Amino acid sequence: DSGVTQTPKHLITATGQRVTLRCSPRSGDLSVYWYQQSLDQGLQFLIQYYNGEERAKGNILERFSAQQFPDLHSELNLSSLELGDSALYFCASSVDMGSEQYFGPGTRLTVT
Amino acid sequence: KNEVEQSPQNLTAQEGEFITINCSYSVGISALHWLQQHPGGGIVSLFMLSSGKKKHGRLIATINIQEKHSSLHITASHPRDSAVYICAVSSGNQFYFGTGTSLTVIP
Repeated sequence: DSGVTQTPKHLITATGQRVTLRCSPRSGDLSVYWYQQSLDQGLQFLIQYYNGEERAKGNILERFSAQQFPDLHSELNLSSLELGDSALYFCASSVDMGSEQYFGPGTRLTVT
Repeated sequence: KNEVEQSPQNLTAQEGEFITINCSYSVGISALHWLQQHPGGGIVSLFMLSSGKKKHGRLIATINIQEKHSSLHITASHPRDSAVYICAVSSGNQFYFGTGTSLTVIP
């Protein structure tokens, strides 16, 4: 158990819908990262937050957004969902930027 | 263009064998990470290194910054080592991942 929690574990929704994925970092970790893992693209970095501020952006679509709240938990919002958004979404946390990351168990999103 | 390349893609070994997985990268990095992903999907960080060599139990990771190459070695492999091993690099404020090496260790 990494100490990083993600909810929900599984999510099934229809195209065009909007969902919110939630991540709680390990106690004491200030940095949160979001990753997408799909069968055809592998693991991809989406976005990073540090102590509530966005610090880095990767291959995150404009339909996706994220934020980190004052209690350091983070949410990833996915809107206008398409079939290709079906993937595993991982959150990771670290003490600070550049430190070892601890991964959550992931949220499996299925868009039908 | 892939910033991180891994080889082999698939690897089958007999229990007890010495295993090597290779990773090459094409970007400047601040750190290289080796990750393990079991069939259930969870990801565990095995190593984070920026130079030299690190050892944890039967696992050893090395990196050659000049050659932009890293290796993950598993000594005395065991069926519980069966997993996908993923190489990733931190480059600036970006992260790039290899496509993974699927390892199966047969008893």
